[in-house]
Amino acid sequence: DIVMTQSPLSLPVTPGEPASISCRSSQSLLHRSGHYYLEWYLQKPGQSPQLLIYLSSNRASGVPDRFSGSGSGTDFTLKISRVEAEDVGVYYCMQALQTPTFGGGTKVEIK
Amino acid sequence: QVPLQESGPGLVKPSETLSLTCTVSGYSISSGYYWGCIRQPPGKGLEWIGSIYHSGNTYYNPSLKSRVTISVDTSKNQFSLKLSSVTAADTAVYYCARSTVSNWYFDLWGRGTLVTVSS
Repeated sequence: DIVMTQSPLSLPVTPGEPASISCRSSQSLLHRSGHYYLEWYLQKPGQSPQLLIYLSSNRASGVPDRFSGSGSGTDFTLKISRVEAEDVGVYYCMQALQTPTFGGGTKVEIK
Repeated sequence: QVPLQESGPGLVKPSETLSLTCTVSGYSISSGYYWGCIRQPPGKGLEWIGSIYHSGNTYYNPSLKSRVTISVDTSKNQFSLKLSSVTAADTAVYYCARSTVSNWYFDLWGRGTLVTVSS
């Protein structure tokens, strides 16, 4: 299995400030199509996860443009340009190159 | 209408079989997506269990493969999960989710249902 490692585990943020979450995979997530099979999900408190970013850098439908994804090979980053109160929750990265596996999650909370 | 709705017993005894049904509303289960199950033990992370295509082709997590069966009923627009020989470690919120065929990302999720394994 491809192991996904996220950091930090917890991220206190100030509204209006930027935030960044890192995700590292145990092997490259480059698919033969040329895309990286890396997704980001947000699980808001008491809700099911929702797709934020797919194929490393594509925002899902309805996702605000303050969210962006980047990265290549084994290192990926989710950035929030200006955190809003509604962005709190647990963020998960997931690889879909092989049997889908998720990172352990990063809990984002307001300071 | 909830696009994906999980249903099934909330309590299962150890060694028995966990059964979960996912009802799809507003979309045809034959519309060219994979339909899958993901679980989340209380306070923990996410684990993909398996997925199925409307043709019946299945894909399972190797770590659970010996105990998992996912089936589809296109006439009812439903798919179902069976997990055999359950233990307390199988206690989790079970989600139904839809993923694309080409890229496997999960773009539609159910609300989830808690299944507790206990005698």
